[in-house]
Amino acid sequence: TQLLEQSPQFLSIQEGENLTVYCNSSSVFSSLQWYRQEPGEGPVLLVTVVTGGEVKKLKRLTFQFGDARKDSSLHITAAQPGDTGLYLCAGVTGSGNTGKLIFGQGTTLQVKP
Amino acid sequence: GAGVSQSPRYKVTKRGQDVALRCDPISGHVSLYWYRQALGQGPEFLTYFNYEAQQDKSGLPNDRFSAERPEGSISTLTIQRTEQRDSAMYRCASSPRQGGSEAFFGQGTRLTVV
Repeated sequence: TQLLEQSPQFLSIQEGENLTVYCNSSSVFSSLQWYRQEPGEGPVLLVTVVTGGEVKKLKRLTFQFGDARKDSSLHITAAQPGDTGLYLCAGVTGSGNTGKLIFGQGTTLQVKP
Repeated sequence: GAGVSQSPRYKVTKRGQDVALRCDPISGHVSLYWYRQALGQGPEFLTYFNYEAQQDKSGLPNDRFSAERPEGSISTLTIQRTEQRDSAMYRCASSPRQGGSEAFFGQGTRLTVV
């Protein structure tokens, strides 16, 4: 069974602080995705990383895929209350047309004004 | 439709009854996933389809759970002889391509078994 471990599970910080969320596995993934979910809604895709060592930036969010494609991190700079939500990483297992998405257990972020 | 549509949004059923949850994916999307999600947790994989073919059902908890997508579009997740432990949010997602491309989620069906 391929598992994705996210840490921390909960994070409560003040507006303006920086934070990093980690997503780790013992398995190799062909790609990894990060989603954000707000209460009452389904997860929404933020980014997909494909290449080992890849770094992608989305405004104040920086995503990195580990060199071995087993882990990833999400770094948020100067967090805002609007960043509050459940952050999920999802790994694509399998290959080619049979790849499927497996999610981590999520990180709940609360940013206080 | 514009997004993934799930129905019903809420379902309350008595223990022992069968329920059918429906998912209408984004038009033209090839892959369709079913997940179960506990509050504050990540979605737990149940099963997925490419077109009408069920590719993987390894996440279905037991043989009371089944899913179909007969024409490669709408899918139904059926739970027979429901139990209280089946109570959860059931989420459907669709992807435009095979192979684990980005998933677009519906708003889910909240199932409560009493």
